[in-house]
Amino acid sequence: SAVISQKPSRDICQRGTSLTIQCQVDSQVTMMFWYRQQPGQSLTLIATANQGSEATYESGFVIDKFPISRPNLTFSTLTVSNMSPEDSSIYLCSVEDRTRGYTFGSGTRLTVV
Amino acid sequence: GIQVEQSPPDLILQEGANSTLRCNFSDSVNNLQWFHQNPWGQLINLFYIPSGTKQNGRLSATTVATERYSLLYISSSQTTDSGVYFCAVVYSGGYQKVTFGTGTKLQVIP
Repeated sequence: SAVISQKPSRDICQRGTSLTIQCQVDSQVTMMFWYRQQPGQSLTLIATANQGSEATYESGFVIDKFPISRPNLTFSTLTVSNMSPEDSSIYLCSVEDRTRGYTFGSGTRLTVV
Repeated sequence: GIQVEQSPPDLILQEGANSTLRCNFSDSVNNLQWFHQNPWGQLINLFYIPSGTKQNGRLSATTVATERYSLLYISSSQTTDSGVYFCAVVYSGGYQKVTFGTGTKLQVIP
């Protein structure tokens, strides 16, 4: 199955700043997915990133707040912009494996102070 | 959208005990997965099980797609089983989407 390297694993950021999270996959994939997990909550899909086109955002998430890049078939970034304490969450990227379902990166634990 | 409910929300087990976790979903799904999120936040894929029964060591899972539920069985629990268990369903809502359940937080005590 696909192996995803995600970084940074954790960060503490000042409010008003931005953080870019990177995900690298060891094989080419059509779609990459970005999720947010707020403290004590389940995972919520932020957006789906296709190579060569704009990301598709779920209800409640906007491109200005969570810009996504997908420059090639093995890499994607998610930026959390103009952060506030409410953005403190775990952010995870994911890809689909045809035989094993969805695989996730190890996550980025973000704390905004 | 589809609703995915898990029960129980919290569970405390003595080491060695058995347990059953349930996942109910409100509509037809293409696939279903069970994950274990360890205390460090990492999601571990346990089962990819759109229907039928699968077993992997002390864990097994059964999905009855026609009745819209799945069960995860944990036998002879160990402290390393602690964490949060999520089911996630894949359905076609315009395009294929994944929705996570509400989760079951399991604590196994020695």
